[in-house]
Amino acid sequence: EQQVQQSPASLVLQEAENAELQCSFSIFTNQVQWFYQRPGGRLVSLLYNPSGTKQSGRLTSTTVIKERRSSLHISSSQITDSGTYLCAMERSDYGSSGNKLIFGIGTLLSVKP
Amino acid sequence: EAAVTQSPRNKVAVTGGKVTLSCNQTNNHNNMYWYRQDTGHGLRLIHYSYGAGSTEKGDIPDGYKASRPSQENFSLILELATPSQTSVYFCASGVDRGQNTLYFGAGTRLSVL
Repeated sequence: EQQVQQSPASLVLQEAENAELQCSFSIFTNQVQWFYQRPGGRLVSLLYNPSGTKQSGRLTSTTVIKERRSSLHISSSQITDSGTYLCAMERSDYGSSGNKLIFGIGTLLSVKP
Repeated sequence: EAAVTQSPRNKVAVTGGKVTLSCNQTNNHNNMYWYRQDTGHGLRLIHYSYGAGSTEKGDIPDGYKASRPSQENFSLILELATPSQTSVYFCASGVDRGQNTLYFGAGTRLSVL
């Protein structure tokens, strides 16, 4: 079972257009993060957003924890924004100390000139 | 910036052989993780650790062992490699309180023939 669902699976934009990426969770969580991955590259943390709205440059994340969803808005997209955007939630397992990040499959964004 | 280094970056192994993937972090993080990334599955957690001497099973631990001999080093061991373990493996480290941002290594591409 995929506990973190992301949509759309892929998205093609013209440069300067905006993007809206969605993430939903099958269980409750109190921590949500968004990551970026260039093709063949390492994951880089973009935003940590457990609730409400957080902004970093052209990125804005809105998380509604009670509805188990989060979104990432990319404004004025650039060609260099192309890559995969992954949503992750923190999961606490019964009988285990500490928490773990569980990832969605990601949204593949392609920004064209 | 947190530094997580994986070695080797690429590995070709034979079925039934032993493979060891290494990870080193220089940021004194307590938590370390091993994920594998496959098309259609995203990142899946194999093993993790909360400190030297500790290892915990993740969501897909079968066929893998882990070792955390020190705060800095975390290894993933495939005792009897199989073709189904062909994948890209990522190591990550993070703190265990508050904002649990993970810092990822560049990945190891493993092919088991």
